[in-house]
Amino acid sequence: ESVLTQSPGTLSLSPGERATLSCRASQSVSSSYLAWYQQKPGQAPRLLIYSASSRATGIPDRFSGSGSGTDFTLTISRLESEDFAVYYCQQYDSSLPTFGQGTKVEIK
Amino acid sequence: EVQLVESGGGLVQPGGSLRLSCAASGFTFSSYWMIWVRQAPGKGLEWVANINQDGSEQYCVDSVKGRFTISRDNAKNSLYLQMNSLRAEDTAVYYCARASGSSKRLAKDWGQGTLVTVSS
Repeated sequence: ESVLTQSPGTLSLSPGERATLSCRASQSVSSSYLAWYQQKPGQAPRLLIYSASSRATGIPDRFSGSGSGTDFTLTISRLESEDFAVYYCQQYDSSLPTFGQGTKVEIK
Repeated sequence: EVQLVESGGGLVQPGGSLRLSCAASGFTFSSYWMIWVRQAPGKGLEWVANINQDGSEQYCVDSVKGRFTISRDNAKNSLYLQMNSLRAEDTAVYYCARASGSSKRLAKDWGQGTLVTVSS
């Protein structure tokens, strides 16, 4: 089972700032089968990024993903008020997909 | 518009059973893998199970093997999760999701979830 570790646990930033979220896998994720989801309180998760760097339909271009192997990054170029939420990474390479524990992006 | 609506959650005693349903609309249900993901209160996401288009392949996480069964009825555009021998640690919001067209393990569209509480 591939364990995903996200850092930091909480990111305190102001609107307009840049957010950089990290996801590290215990095993290499082949073909970059790595996704990022956003979840707001009381809501279902929403797919943001798949294949490590491809934006899902309707996702603004301030969201970008990068990385390969075991190290992946989600970047939000300029935070807007609606971006404050919890973000999860997920590997869907293995037969048992796993999620990271989440990074909360909160207003400073 | 893709719509996924879960139902069937509620309070159940340890050792009891519950059947969750997910009604799908807005897409050709029989063409997609479908997925269940759960989230314990205040915790992160956990993959539960997925099923292929005709129901002939199912995969589930070890912690629910032998207790949970994923199934589907394409004529009714519905996905199910039969949960038996429920434990306190199964308490969670259960989400139904449609897999992407290119990966059976990528949850592209999600329902709003249904809460299952296992408690005496």
